[in-house]
Amino acid sequence: QVQLVQSGAEVKRPGASVKVSCKASGYTFNTYDVSWVRQAPGQGLQWLGWISTKNGNTKYAQNVQGRVTMTTDTSTSTAYMELRSLTSDDTAVYYCARDVNYVWLDPWGQGTLVTVSS
Amino acid sequence: QSVLTQPPSMSAAPGQKVTISCSGSSSNIGNNYVSWYQHLPGTAPKLFIYENYKRPSDIPDRFSGSKSGPSATLGITGLQTGDEADYYCAAWDNNLSAWVFGGGTKLTVL
Repeated sequence: QVQLVQSGAEVKRPGASVKVSCKASGYTFNTYDVSWVRQAPGQGLQWLGWISTKNGNTKYAQNVQGRVTMTTDTSTSTAYMELRSLTSDDTAVYYCARDVNYVWLDPWGQGTLVTVSS
Repeated sequence: QSVLTQPPSMSAAPGQKVTISCSGSSSNIGNNYVSWYQHLPGTAPKLFIYENYKRPSDIPDRFSGSKSGPSATLGITGLQTGDEADYYCAAWDNNLSAWVFGGGTKLTVL
């Protein structure tokens, strides 16, 4: 079945970086793009950005622009999201999702909890 | 502050019907498809409605979607306790070139 499996929870110090992986299976990886979304405690869903699995083009949300880098490894059908200069405001569950032509997101990965704490 | 506007919470009794609204603008809902996601704590969000009203094959027909202009609604009939969850609407925004979400509606079935 089509699924996205993400890497495990991370605890980081303020100012550090985190890199979350998202491995796809059950479909041809480079036929759909990948979006990244996060949910901070008590908050709603926030889109972080998108990467084309065909050519690596990216589009990042304004609030993380300059701190985020999204990449893919087509040889392993894996997408990555790296976020730098972490602050406590970046504490959240991070999700990857298969992006179907900007029309819907399905499926989603199981989520990766990133905790930023000193 | 979310770009799409949803009521923060709704409640209804088992067996009843509920309609969750999602209000946007011409740059998102008005000119693009709406999708709806169910989110249970500790789990991945799940697609419930896509292209405004279509249901994935595993979603029961108790769930329905509609869109009119810059607004959309999710309808749930025959409410069950298992329907308790947060529901989010989403659409692509042409001005922002970004996915935008509603703030989520916490549905309680009491």
